[in-house]
Amino acid sequence: GAVVSQHPSWVICKSGTSVKIECRSLDFQATTMFWYRQFPKQSLMLMATSNEGSKATYEQGVEKDKFLINHASLTLSTLTVTSAHPEDSSFYICSARENRGPFFGQGTRLTVV
Amino acid sequence: TQLLEQSPQFLSIQEGENLTVYCNSSSVFSSLQWYRQEPGEGPVLLVTVVTGGEVKKLKRLTFQFGDARKDSSLHITAAQTGDTGLYLCAGGGNNAGNMLTFGGGTRLMVKP
Repeated sequence: GAVVSQHPSWVICKSGTSVKIECRSLDFQATTMFWYRQFPKQSLMLMATSNEGSKATYEQGVEKDKFLINHASLTLSTLTVTSAHPEDSSFYICSARENRGPFFGQGTRLTVV
Repeated sequence: TQLLEQSPQFLSIQEGENLTVYCNSSSVFSSLQWYRQEPGEGPVLLVTVVTGGEVKKLKRLTFQFGDARKDSSLHITAAQTGDTGLYLCAGGGNNAGNMLTFGGGTRLMVKP
């Protein structure tokens, strides 16, 4: 069953607005969560590593001021896309590791119009 | 940087056929995961292999981890239309703080 829950599943927003995506670990604590971005028909690209109680680690080329990550508790990490533009439209997925292995959220389809 | 090469990138077969997807790297991985992803959804974990030479079976799916832990394969016997999806291999992630390295994915289409 699903052990990582992501919300919302999809969101449409206007250019210039900000969007927050939540990633929750269910029934387990995750000191580290990962945020990925996936373009159509492509594999997942790691954006950043979210660390509970400390700053996130961003991959090269990912703007930390644009993609704000907050990992305020052991079960919740949030990704905020600030001042969204159409090129930010994508499928965003989070993951966390449970005993059986790394699990992924359902993903969030972001469309910026 | 650890890289995983997955092949083939795309595979279209008839229902009932067998197929194998490969995942190769020049690096050693402590563990390797296989996922299946359907459009608009997150990847779903199929299996984790950790021991060199390990073989795991999940119904019609057989997963193998190379002896040197640098490669893996996924074999599907008698494919069904429900097997259609994007198959991803991912290495690492053996503990909570380690990120996964993903292969490029294999898009499988099983036609009736």
